[in-house]
Amino acid sequence: AQSVTQLGSHVSVSEGALVLLRCNYSSSVPPYLFWYVQYPNQGLQLLLKYTSAATLVKGINGFEAEFKKSETSFHLTKPSAHMSDAAEYFCAVTSDAGGTSYGKLTFGQGTILTVHP
Amino acid sequence: NAGVTQTPKFQVLKTGQSMTLQCAQDMNHEYMSWYRQDPGMGLRLIHYSVGAGITDQGEVPNGYNVSRSTTEDFPLRLLSAAPSQTSVYFCASSPDRAGAEAFFGQGTRLTVV
Repeated sequence: AQSVTQLGSHVSVSEGALVLLRCNYSSSVPPYLFWYVQYPNQGLQLLLKYTSAATLVKGINGFEAEFKKSETSFHLTKPSAHMSDAAEYFCAVTSDAGGTSYGKLTFGQGTILTVHP
Repeated sequence: NAGVTQTPKFQVLKTGQSMTLQCAQDMNHEYMSWYRQDPGMGLRLIHYSVGAGITDQGEVPNGYNVSRSTTEDFPLRLLSAAPSQTSVYFCASSPDRAGAEAFFGQGTRLTVV
């Protein structure tokens, strides 16, 4: 079984400030981890993913995330927030259990990011 | 390249009515899935398919049916709509390899009154 917990359903930052969105996961097998972003009334777009190649993963729009196995975490960061970053962010996990595990994502509850001028 | 296409974008149903949400992908992906999104609950897996003719249940399958007769299409059927099925529905597809990302459609916003 696998699960994802996102700490904080709402995060508010000022433009130019650090963005930190927290994600902790639980998985009995090596995980694959993803961050998706959803803009209002749109589908989900991949920001970045961890697939065991490197623990620090860089994604689109200046976001990055670090996989920490000892802490079972995959927090998303961006050094300087832009107004255009305002959206809902989802952390998701799938596993390398093989076969039908691929493509079956377990999502966190989502974090709504608000950016103030 | 259209990616994953969902129709309709919006739908209002009366309790007890049936309907089919359509999903098509043009990326020749083996895996296709349906999720529902509810506030504060993230996305939850309804049904998924690992190839034509093969489907299985996800976390919240009750009240929904699926079939997969072709690689491209994966329709979701609501046999008798209930207000609890008011939600935003997303279809996704992904290739058959470890760590592959899922590609999502734009969603269908369904209201059951």
